[in-house]
Amino acid sequence: GQQLNQSPQSMFIQEGEDVSMNCTSSSIFNTWLWYKQDPGEGPVLLIALYKAGELTSNGRLTAQFGITRKDSFLNISASIPSDVGIYFCAGQSGETSGSRLTFGEGTQLTVNP
Amino acid sequence: KAGVTQTPRYLIKTRGQQVTLSCSPISGHRSVSWYQQTPGQGLQFLFEYFSETQRNKGNFPGRFSGRQFSNSRSEMNVSTLELGDSALYLCASSKSGANTGELFFGEGSRLTVL
Repeated sequence: GQQLNQSPQSMFIQEGEDVSMNCTSSSIFNTWLWYKQDPGEGPVLLIALYKAGELTSNGRLTAQFGITRKDSFLNISASIPSDVGIYFCAGQSGETSGSRLTFGEGTQLTVNP
Repeated sequence: KAGVTQTPRYLIKTRGQQVTLSCSPISGHRSVSWYQQTPGQGLQFLFEYFSETQRNKGNFPGRFSGRQFSNSRSEMNVSTLELGDSALYLCASSKSGANTGELFFGEGSRLTVL
């Protein structure tokens, strides 16, 4: 089945640093999404991307939908302590997929104040 | 606006038992999907219901089942529990007919099977 390879698995950074993480797939996705999960909570949607090449920002977060439709990256600028959590990429194959998303393994982010 | 509500939050069962988990979606959302989250397998899609009909199904055995009621509330059931069913079960809702992948997750029901 479809698999998403997300890297890095974990990151330890200092407050104020920029962060970059990415996902690659062997299959094409029509939609790429990035979610963040805090301990004891469900994932929360950060950014959704719908077109190949699309670059979208949400505050300090910027994400891009790769031209090949097989990859996406997420950048976080000027990290702050509340950025700590697990970040997941997710792909949706098409309209008939509905809410069926394929998730990456997650990137555990730790921010040292 | 209330978020997605899942009950119970925590439960412990023994092998061979069955369990029913409940999910109330955001008001106005008619699609409800379920995911299993484990340290080893990550987030895996179980199934999706829309207007009381199963619209998509993941690769899980028939012991995992679900249903949706006319008020969009959903339940999932796992029968003949196995140790490997221990996981966080997440419910997510999305807006009617919008197949965008934009899901709103609940806090999950953490199941421990002993």
